[in-house]
Amino acid sequence: GAVVSQHPSWVICKSGTSVKIECRSLDFQATTMFWYRQFPKQSLMLMATSNEGSKATYEQGVEKDKFLINHASLTLSTLTVTSAHPEDSSFYICSAAGRVPQETQYFGPGTRLLVL
Amino acid sequence: LAKTTQPISMDSYEGQEVNITCSHNNIATNDYITWYQQFPSQGPRFIIQGYKTKVTNEVASLFIPADRKSSTLSLPRVSLSDTAVYYCLVVRPMDSSYKLIFGSGTRLLVRP
Repeated sequence: GAVVSQHPSWVICKSGTSVKIECRSLDFQATTMFWYRQFPKQSLMLMATSNEGSKATYEQGVEKDKFLINHASLTLSTLTVTSAHPEDSSFYICSAAGRVPQETQYFGPGTRLLVL
Repeated sequence: LAKTTQPISMDSYEGQEVNITCSHNNIATNDYITWYQQFPSQGPRFIIQGYKTKVTNEVASLFIPADRKSSTLSLPRVSLSDTAVYYCLVVRPMDSSYKLIFGSGTRLLVRP
């Protein structure tokens, strides 16, 4: 299957700082990328959908000013957690899909964020 | 999107065949069914996808009856490394993007 990478794999930051997470599709062009959050022992929760060159669509209850998403190219999307707080500590996972609607989503390895 | 229901957990032993059934009573005509596997602290990994009847790949088989209101993921001869959470999802193509809404999944524990 296709390869999706995330960077960093884990990050620890102080409360109030901003953290950027990168998601890259390494061997295909991703017209759509998705960002999920997963708390321990829970399922993945979709945060937002981003299409290349357009604004992200956020799920209900997800603050767009808190979680800034940029999908500047067909291989890169970034999620910036602004003014992070301890409750933002979670496992953030991105996925990428190509042009065909039925195409499989390929997931990145995830980024563990710990806000102190 | 059609809601999916699957067992919260299952136990098995090495070498056995494991069948995980998922119900999706409200599946629509254009929806298709996808299964993912997730290990702790990793992103989900695609297992198999199908629309109807039977699909088989090198990892698993997916059985979908004619009414498509349920599907069964079959893992032949599981090993300890198959211990993971398995998610059944109904996917609805919408224009050029589509969402995956994850349910609670099934935690499979394979014992020696």
